[in-house]
Amino acid sequence: GAVVSQHPSWVICKSGTSVKIECRSLDFQATTMFWYRQFPKQSLMLMATSNEGSKATYEQGVEKDKFLINHASLTLSTLTVTSAHPEDSSFYICSARSDQETQYFGPGTRLLVL
Amino acid sequence: GESVGLHLPTLSVQEGDNSIINCAYSNSASDYFIWYKQESGKGPQFIIDIRSNMDKRQGQRVTVLLNKTVKHLSLQIAATQPGDSAVYFCAERFTGNQFYFGTGTSLTVIP
Repeated sequence: GAVVSQHPSWVICKSGTSVKIECRSLDFQATTMFWYRQFPKQSLMLMATSNEGSKATYEQGVEKDKFLINHASLTLSTLTVTSAHPEDSSFYICSARSDQETQYFGPGTRLLVL
Repeated sequence: GESVGLHLPTLSVQEGDNSIINCAYSNSASDYFIWYKQESGKGPQFIIDIRSNMDKRQGQRVTVLLNKTVKHLSLQIAATQPGDSAVYFCAERFTGNQFYFGTGTSLTVIP
């Protein structure tokens, strides 16, 4: 299947700092990318959907000024958690979809805010 | 609708037995479904998909069954192995871009 990477895998940061997570589709062009967060023992929660070159569509309850998403190219989307606080600690997962239907997921980024 | 943060149901099976994982989806208009496997600390991994015009699809050791009448999806794993231990999610596509995920089921294979 298609390969999606995320960087970094782990982030530990102090409260108040901003953290950028990259999501790349390595062997296909992703017209749409999705960002999810996941708490331990829980399901994936969709945060936002982004299409290349346009603004992201955020799910209800997700602060767009808090979670900045940039889908700059067909192979790269970034999620920036601005002024991170301990409650933002979570597992952030991106997925990418080409013109085909299937979403392929990245390996996830674990964020720990102290 | 969209999955919320519910705690995962669990399923334990003996190695070599068949596993059946169930999923109830929410939208009768959903036209495409995917099963994902997620191992601890990793991102979800595609297992198998099925379109709404099908009732059954088979892969290697896995079979997905779709019952549109009751909006039910199941994943059958034959001869379950320890490496199958993971959380399994179903996902439904409601609109062109939107996928919604089930709560997931944690499968534990007992050697």
